[in-house]
Amino acid sequence: GAGVSQSPSNKVTEKGKDVELRCDPISGHTALYWYRQSLGQGLEFLIYFQGNSAPDKSGLPSDRFSAERTGGSVSTLTIQRTQQEDSAVYLCASSLDQPGVAGNTIYFGEGSWLTVV
Amino acid sequence: QKEVEQDPGPLSVPEGAIVSLNCTYSNSAFQYFMWYRQYSRKGPELLMYTYSSGNKEDGRFTAQVDKSSKYISLFIRDSQPSDSATYLCAMSARGNNRLAFGKGNQVVVIP
Repeated sequence: GAGVSQSPSNKVTEKGKDVELRCDPISGHTALYWYRQSLGQGLEFLIYFQGNSAPDKSGLPSDRFSAERTGGSVSTLTIQRTQQEDSAVYLCASSLDQPGVAGNTIYFGEGSWLTVV
Repeated sequence: QKEVEQDPGPLSVPEGAIVSLNCTYSNSAFQYFMWYRQYSRKGPELLMYTYSSGNKEDGRFTAQVDKSSKYISLFIRDSQPSDSATYLCAMSARGNNRLAFGKGNQVVVIP
């Protein structure tokens, strides 16, 4: 498809289980981002990948969260030992270049809606 | 103080009215300013992009940036029911890896 694709679109998991969320960025986009959106809150930055550079993991809230990007394309966000406060929409985005470049547009997927019960 | 402040209060307007949204920010390094529109259970989509201070118009939408006041605005003229969505402001600094978002305003345009 032409846009950022995320799966699963909805996930209900039991507290303590691990979950994996997948993101397929737009073809050719070197930058990939994960954000989290909780009810009534703005988007919270989690992690950023740019080409082959080391990712910016400074937004990950705890060591239960990790992300990989394989082959410069598909990315997986993993949450281990999920907690109820992890319930949120996890949004993936991609762009041709990094945000601080004039004219760069960041495109978002439709999100993975995670509910931890 | 959060980097970006956006009053999240819902806004209901009659069809045809002007919608006025705004955000304030504290980081003087921000140079790129964006407004995203997010429909229910969808991802945000870029609506307007502005670099530095000034105005930008695109159809019924106008974005304003006042860097001296650290204040940005979005105006929607002749609002339509299809404009009903959450509007998020976002901004970034040159060479920075992340966008800083406001909490978003839910706008409802009543036919």
